[in-house]
Amino acid sequence: AQSVTQLGSHVSVSEGALVLLRCNYSSSVPPYLFWYVQYPNQGLQLLLKYTTGATLVKGINGFEAEFKKSETSFHLTKPSAHMSDAAEYFCAVSEGSNDYKLSFGAGTTVTVRA
Amino acid sequence: EPEVTQTPSHQVTQMGQEVILRCVPISNHLYFYWYRQILGQKVEFLVSFYNNEISEKSEIFDDQFSVERPDGSNFTLKIRSTKLEDSAMYFCASSLGGQGNTGELFFGEGSRLTVL
Repeated sequence: AQSVTQLGSHVSVSEGALVLLRCNYSSSVPPYLFWYVQYPNQGLQLLLKYTTGATLVKGINGFEAEFKKSETSFHLTKPSAHMSDAAEYFCAVSEGSNDYKLSFGAGTTVTVRA
Repeated sequence: EPEVTQTPSHQVTQMGQEVILRCVPISNHLYFYWYRQILGQKVEFLVSFYNNEISEKSEIFDDQFSVERPDGSNFTLKIRSTKLEDSAMYFCASSLGGQGNTGELFFGEGSRLTVL
């Protein structure tokens, strides 16, 4: 069975500061890992994903995440926050079977201070 | 760019009424899903559907819920007799699936269900 833990339900950063959102997973097989973003009153949009290969993955809007198998982590970072980054961020894991079911973390709400 | 579309965007219903939420997945995708998000809570898996049958369902997906792909394009979620606790945002998603696929799910914008 797979599961995701996101540390911190709410993160507040200043504009221009580093954004760091933490995600730890458990999976019985090599996982596929995802970060989705949800802007207010909108659906879920894929930020980035890790399946195989390079462990540092780059996504949209300047975000990146690093898969660390030894730490079972997939933390999301952005060097410099922008006001438009204010949203809810969800980490998700799939065991990559044909079903591709995703299990989501509880989400982290990011607010950006001017 | 292909996208998953959902209707209605918002539905208000009385407790005990039947509700049907509709989704049009991306046309060449083979796997279809419903998720829900109760206000302020995490996104929860309800059901996955492949080859015209349910491939997996969660414990939330009880006898009050059903899914159907009535034609080649629509994928519906029916709640037979709604309860107050069914109030949530319901997301449809689809995936290409198959060997070598990277497993990305494409989500619709959601249907907000309010049960009074």
